This record gives sequence, C-alpha cells and structure tokens, in this order.
Amino acid sequence: GAVVSQHPSRVICKSGTSVKIECRSLDFQATTMFWYRQFPKKSLMLMATSNEGSKATYEQGVEKDKFLINHASLTLSTLTVTSAHPEDSSFYICSARAGQGRGNTIYFGEGSWLTVV
Amino acid sequence: GQQVMQIPQYQHVQEGEDFTTYCNSSTTLSNIQWYKQRPGGHPVFLIQLVKSGEVKKQKRLTFQFGEAKKNSSLHITATQTTDVGTYFCAASGGSNYKLTFGKGTLLTVNP
Repeated sequence: GAVVSQHPSRVICKSGTSVKIECRSLDFQATTMFWYRQFPKKSLMLMATSNEGSKATYEQGVEKDKFLINHASLTLSTLTVTSAHPEDSSFYICSARAGQGRGNTIYFGEGSWLTVV
Repeated sequence: GQQVMQIPQYQHVQEGEDFTTYCNSSTTLSNIQWYKQRPGGHPVFLIQLVKSGEVKKQKRLTFQFGEAKKNSSLHITATQTTDVGTYFCAASGGSNYKLTFGKGTLLTVNP
C-alpha cells in the first residue's frame, strides 16, 4: 500500500537552533501534504497545507516565519522549525493525499518527536 | 471553519464488551473519515463515509453516517486488547481535502 515516510522520527535540538523534518510519499505523487502538531493525549492540530510549487497555506495562529514549509516536489515536503524554543517540543505529523486513483485517501507519516532543550 | 465534536473523551471497557464513539457537527459534512492511533504511533486510516445513512462494516467495527450527514459513529463489538488506542473522526472539506479532527476517544481494554 501507499507509504508516507517522515524523517527524523526523533530529534533533540538546542534552543535557538533550527530543525528540519521531511515528509516523503514513497509510491505516489502528492500535490497536497498537510502538517499537524499533536500534544500528548490531544488531538491533531492542523498547522498548514503544503501545496507543490506554491506557498503553504497556514492555519490561523500558526507563525509562518517560525514554521517554514517547502513543498519542492510532488513527493517531498519539509517543515523547518526555526529558532526553536522548548515550547515547540511536540509530535509533528505529516500526511499526504493520494490522487483520485486511490480515492483521494490521506496517508499519514510516522511522526517526528521534537524535543527542544 | 468546520468543527467536529467527539465523545466520549475516554472509555474503559472489559474485554468482550462493546464500545461506541460518536462525532457530531453543526454543519453538513461532505464526508467523514475515521482513524485509529495506537499509543506512541501515528494515525492510521480506517474508513471514509460519504453517503447519507451509510453503514460500513470491517469485521467487528461498524461505521455509520447519519441521514443528515451531521453525525457519525464507530461501534466495536466484543472489544479485544488489540483495539486499544485513540479513535479519531475527521471531516474533510474544501478542494484540498483538508481534515479537521475531532478530539478523539481513547479506548482502553481490561483483559
């Protein structure tokens, strides 16, 4: 079946540094990918919609300069957390939408645990 | 944007008992999806409901979409310990299929 790969699965970074998370659709092209944030025992909060070849659409309250999203190809979207702070520590999950041939099904990556120290 | 309310937040059952989680929206939904997230894992797509009054089954899981397409339910018959996890409903909207998730129901099963 379709697979979405997310890397790294876990990352620890120092406060003030930037960290990049990659989301790849391995066997289908995804014109649209989504980035979510999930706090422990909470639901998924949509951060932004990543569109291939154009700027990402951010949800209200999400800082676009802090969470940089780049969807450079039909199989890759990246989320860069810039100038990370401890409050940015969270579980970040991406998802990718397969095309009409697969019923527009949305597949999730395995998620990335970010810890900012 | 659209909002989806999901209840209960938590449910603890004895193995063999049934379990149901409910989702409600104040607006008519074009479709609703259900996901399962195991502890420490990522959400896994279970099913999508599109038609008014639709009922779909997957082994012990029964999914329903209300006649008005404003509510949905997931029912598990005779729960097993492997059913443990958080079940999320999600409404899809717009041309880009953006998902809005309910808060989820955490199911724990006592063996």
